[in-house]
Amino acid sequence: DVKVTQSSRYLVKRTGEKVFLECVQDMDHENMFWYRQDPGLGLRLIYFSYDVKMKEKGDIPEGYSVSREKKERFSLILESASTNQTSMYLCASSPWQGAVGFFGQGTRLTVV
Amino acid sequence: AQSVAQPEDQVNVAEGNPLTVKCTYSVSGNPYLFWYVQYPNRGLQFLLKYITGDNLVKGSYGFEAEFNKSQTSFHLKKPSALVSDSALYFCAVRDTGFQKLVFGTGTRLLVSP
Repeated sequence: DVKVTQSSRYLVKRTGEKVFLECVQDMDHENMFWYRQDPGLGLRLIYFSYDVKMKEKGDIPEGYSVSREKKERFSLILESASTNQTSMYLCASSPWQGAVGFFGQGTRLTVV
Repeated sequence: AQSVAQPEDQVNVAEGNPLTVKCTYSVSGNPYLFWYVQYPNRGLQFLLKYITGDNLVKGSYGFEAEFNKSQTSFHLKKPSALVSDSALYFCAVRDTGFQKLVFGTGTRLLVSP
């Protein structure tokens, strides 16, 4: 079975903390994505990566960075967490020529 | 830029009745269109996709979607709704550049017993 695993289901962090969200896929997919989901706004793309050490900005990259040192792992970093980054974060992966994205279960992050 | 619109925030339907969740798209070139479902506190699950071919696409859990090029629509349908179909549904289109998906704002489906 295809699997995308996010390291935490729920996370509570303080304003100003550096936060790491980890995502691992076991399908040898080239593409990996980080989205955030907010009510009424749907899913918005933060960053994506189409290869190891490669990254591209999505629609809302401000306040975030990413790291992809290994093909199976894609990390989202909040350099200095703020309350407006309280959200559901979803990781996804897909093969290079494949259109279907496989999603992790999501991490609900609360910044207090 | 590619985009999709889901005009309804919520759709209510009685169990056993047919359901439709609407989606319209705006793309340059041929559209690659998708439907995903999200159950509470879960990630998104793939339902179906349209790449090319028949305008009626069949997917998981008895869902199907009709691609209509003239109306630029890709509505999700099911002949007989179940209470367990209650969830959040997202329409998406693949960007023509990189292999990324652009999502709509989502439609909450509530199926009453």
